[in-house]
Amino acid sequence: EAGVVQSPRYKIIEKKQPVAFWCNPISGHNTLYWYLQNLGQGPELLIRYENEEAVDDSQLPKDRFSAERLKGVDSTLKIQPAELGDSAVYLCASTFDPGSGELFFGEGSRLTVL
Amino acid sequence: GQQLNQSPQSMFIQEGEDVSMNCTSSSIFNTWLWYKQDPGEGPVLLIALYKAGELTSNGRLTAQFGITRKDSFLNISASIPSDVGIYFCAGNSGYALNFGKGTSLLVTP
Repeated sequence: EAGVVQSPRYKIIEKKQPVAFWCNPISGHNTLYWYLQNLGQGPELLIRYENEEAVDDSQLPKDRFSAERLKGVDSTLKIQPAELGDSAVYLCASTFDPGSGELFFGEGSRLTVL
Repeated sequence: GQQLNQSPQSMFIQEGEDVSMNCTSSSIFNTWLWYKQDPGEGPVLLIALYKAGELTSNGRLTAQFGITRKDSFLNISASIPSDVGIYFCAGNSGYALNFGKGTSLLVTP
């Protein structure tokens, strides 16, 4: 069975440019998460989806970040415009049982903003 | 999210040694989990704990859910080189995880 798939693995952009990350969760996992991981830190939640509904986006900086999961399967996270401080790894995770805490993570998308 | 304090920040040990790391929180969690992250990869679940006082093993790994529900520890016995990586504790506050800052483990042959 395929795991959580993310793309691109790496992205280098100049500040003020837009960037988008894509995630395909494990088949059958209704709950999808986007986490931000800064260097030397643990992952921090950005947004959680239950099917196509964003049920927790309180930590998402909505002035420049947006996310969607239109058909309740794959998801896109966008940053526009990117700032230097956005350089980090963006992790996608999914689970069939959000109450368990047992998340399956993708390999992450590493963003470098110059 | 709630702050999780994980210690030690890093460990440098010899192959065959036992390792112990812990995590504390000012808040109560219903579930404690331990994940491992290899370089360039996403975290992978090692052990999940669902009950206060629970002691669970997974091969050479043993973890306990503290009685107060505010702490957990992870032990690795007889470490091997492939144990190298960053170990994160995580508390489940409903439907999302709060992660510690990680313990970086280096194992020399």
